[in-house]
Amino acid sequence: NAGVTQTPKFQVLKTGQSMTLQCAQDMNHNSMYWYRQDPGMGLRLIYYSASEGTTDKGEVPNGYNVSRLNKREFSLRLESAAPSQTSVYFCASGPSGRGRETQYFGPGTRLLVL
Amino acid sequence: EDQVTQSPEALRLQEGESSSLNCSYTVSGLRGLFWYRQDPGKGPEFLFTLYSAGEEKEKERLKATLTKKESFLHITAPKPEDSATYLCAVQADGNNRLAFGKGNQVVVIP
Repeated sequence: NAGVTQTPKFQVLKTGQSMTLQCAQDMNHNSMYWYRQDPGMGLRLIYYSASEGTTDKGEVPNGYNVSRLNKREFSLRLESAAPSQTSVYFCASGPSGRGRETQYFGPGTRLLVL
Repeated sequence: EDQVTQSPEALRLQEGESSSLNCSYTVSGLRGLFWYRQDPGKGPEFLFTLYSAGEEKEKERLKATLTKKESFLHITAPKPEDSATYLCAVQADGNNRLAFGKGNQVVVIP
């Protein structure tokens, strides 16, 4: 099993450009999550999907949209990138979607917005 | 609001010098407390989940304990390969979200 995979590994954007970060998991998990990690801030939840067909906002959703394409895939879209969105983005998945569950993380996407 | 505070922020240990990391939390009903290890440039790697006060879990040189207000991650006789940032997170009742602390950066010197 590959676990949680993310593409791309690294991306440079100019302010105002758009892009989609891709995430896939092969563990048959119901829930999937997008986090960002910034120095001195810890991991912060952007959006999550408790099950296929549902999505909910997390702590810092502004400037982002998500799509739960199917049970395996959960994408994060930046419509108009801003320098404040320079960060490392992690996707995670968990088995039940009902809470009290361990989340398993992907390797991350490093995004630089100029 | 759920809060997680980890201390110390950074710790340098000699190989073999045991120590403990602290995770203090404030949550309205604890559903679970999680410890992760993160190496530079990598994603967090799951270590332990603790659900109730008094619970303990061990893995190799690591032992996690839980009280009603804090968790400790004890590192016994650490080796250089234990160098990493250790992240603590809590999940509250009725909430799918994990609230993360800022991490404990551990360096073990040979």
